[in-house]
Amino acid sequence: KAGVTQTPRYLIKTRGQQVTLSCSPISGHRSVSWYQQTPGQGLQFLFEYFSETQRNKGNFPGRFSGRQFSNSRSEMNVSTLELGDSALYLCASSPSGSGREETQYFGPGTRLLVL
Amino acid sequence: AQSVTQLGSHVSVSEGALVLLRCNYSSSVPPYLFWYVQYPNQGLQLLLKYTSAATLVKGINGFEAEFKKSETSFHLTKPSAHMSDAAEYFCAVIVSYKLIFGSGTRLLVRP
Repeated sequence: KAGVTQTPRYLIKTRGQQVTLSCSPISGHRSVSWYQQTPGQGLQFLFEYFSETQRNKGNFPGRFSGRQFSNSRSEMNVSTLELGDSALYLCASSPSGSGREETQYFGPGTRLLVL
Repeated sequence: AQSVTQLGSHVSVSEGALVLLRCNYSSSVPPYLFWYVQYPNQGLQLLLKYTSAATLVKGINGFEAEFKKSETSFHLTKPSAHMSDAAEYFCAVIVSYKLIFGSGTRLLVRP
């Protein structure tokens, strides 16, 4: 099976712009989660989707949003970019998102640089 | 609230030496714990996970971890370090569909 794919891999934007990142989960996986990784804050959970519904959301401002499509592909959007949004954005998928013991499989990430 | 703490942001070992990366958890319920590895410019790869089936968990690349409830620990070990083990390692606990990560430990392997 192909792994989790994320596009684009690298992105440069300027402050105030918006950006959309895409994630295709492993075939058959229905749960998609997003994480932000920065040197200062480490790995932080953004949100999780299952069957097109957001089930959990991290502590991020409303500028960060996401959605999931009927084929389980997911996008996240960041509006009005700030310098502090520069980070590696990681997507992870799991089969059913049943919770506690299910492994999340990660994609290679999208590295966003905000100038 | 459930959380994990990784002691030591950097660990340096010689090639062939024992690798020990520390992780302690805080949880009021039996936790489900994970170790992930991240190589430069890559995503996270699962090394192993604890799901209460066995306290000693064997993972990929010769790594293993032992769940010790009395010490609230889930330390990662490998008997003999290889140069290719140089990477950043993250311990995590899963809570309500989300992974909560420790701050990570960067492993340096000296020739």
